[in-house]
Amino acid sequence: AQRVTQPEKLLSVFKGAPVELKCNYSYSGSPELFWYVQYSRQRLQLLLRHISRESIKGFTADLNKGETSFHLKKPFAQEEDSAMYYCAPLVPNNLFFGTGTRLTVIP
Amino acid sequence: DAMVIQNPRYQVTQFGKPVTLSCSQTLNHNVMYWYQQKSSQAPKLLFHYYDKDFNNEADTPDNFQSRRPNTSFCFLDIRSPGLGDAAMYLCATSSQQAINEKLFFGSGTQLSVL
Repeated sequence: AQRVTQPEKLLSVFKGAPVELKCNYSYSGSPELFWYVQYSRQRLQLLLRHISRESIKGFTADLNKGETSFHLKKPFAQEEDSAMYYCAPLVPNNLFFGTGTRLTVIP
Repeated sequence: DAMVIQNPRYQVTQFGKPVTLSCSQTLNHNVMYWYQQKSSQAPKLLFHYYDKDFNNEADTPDNFQSRRPNTSFCFLDIRSPGLGDAAMYLCATSSQQAINEKLFFGSGTQLSVL
């Protein structure tokens, strides 16, 4: 079955520590991949997309086609990074969300 | 300024009483989506409009319908809400000018069913 998996529902790290939010997908073909973020009391918004190969707010995500993963990484977590993060493949023109990981950055 | 606006922010309805949620956008995007997000779960795509073309997801119950009278507005109608339909309903838009265009989300409507 086609799906996206975020194995960690909750993730806590200390401020300044590296953080990695895992995402694995099992869609056929090569879907476009996105990370969306929802900060407390704010709307869901795009964090970054694979195609742009960008770094947003210090976050990067590398697509590993061999492992079918698109993990989100940041070398030094900040308190303002605390939020809900969703990995989302675009299949084929619709966005499907993983179950999400709630990241808490401890001061 | 909010570009995708959902009203109301909170909606309470009774079991079996039809309810309509509304979404409007100022972006002139041609695609509008409705997602259902239950507590502690991922947003789940219900359907979307590509211009006037309606596209239903295979597992969306018949109880859920949608209308898009013009580019700016899209409505979600729940004909006979059940307790299991209590959720956050998210509207989103995209321009689809490129296949990887991002989605813009509204703040959502939290639906309670009594």
